[in-house]
Amino acid sequence: GESVGLHLPTLSVQEGDNSIINCAYSNSASDYFIWYKQESGKGPQFIIDIRSNMDKRQGQRVTVLLNKTVKHLSLQIAATQPGDSAVYFCAENIWGAQKLVFGQGTRLTINP
Amino acid sequence: EPEVTQTPSHQVTQMGQEVILRCVPISNHLYFYWYRQILGQKVEFLVSFYNNEISEKSEIFDDQFSVERPDGSNFTLKIRSTKLEDSAMYFCASSFLTGMNTEAFFGQGTRLTVV
Repeated sequence: GESVGLHLPTLSVQEGDNSIINCAYSNSASDYFIWYKQESGKGPQFIIDIRSNMDKRQGQRVTVLLNKTVKHLSLQIAATQPGDSAVYFCAENIWGAQKLVFGQGTRLTINP
Repeated sequence: EPEVTQTPSHQVTQMGQEVILRCVPISNHLYFYWYRQILGQKVEFLVSFYNNEISEKSEIFDDQFSVERPDGSNFTLKIRSTKLEDSAMYFCASSFLTGMNTEAFFGQGTRLTVV
């Protein structure tokens, strides 16, 4: 069945270090991927997206990498700050479907 | 910056009662969605809505759920007879398009507690 999963449920990093959050997806028909950030008590907030015809996309302090061969997605956050503490979800859009399938989420904690 | 707004932020209801969760999507968006998130779990798709009809729904979205766009701005989710397991955060989202390159914007959510 369709599923998007994450390798690690929690990740702790030192402030200023880089973070890498991973995601595995199972549906090869997925054509669009989004990383969302969710702070406590709030809705998912868009961070960055990538289309299936790309393998890398960069934003401000964030980079998303897509490896379609192994169905793997990662989010890299450079120079993490306390405000980056949140749960991060990857989500996939399956071609032709009007919905997003979310992964389980990784809780990122920034240590001072 | 335009945003999706949801009301109420928290709703407590007794089992068996009907609840209506309300959403105002971003004004020029065409696609509307409801998702839910049980505490500590992932966000799950419920339903998508386009051109005044349901375009896709999940197995969760059974006969006790319904959606409506009663006017040009509101989008509602009705749960007819709530169950304890309906307790969750319910997120409304909207997008201008659907599929590739169509970022869905989420509201802050309504926390539904069924007692």
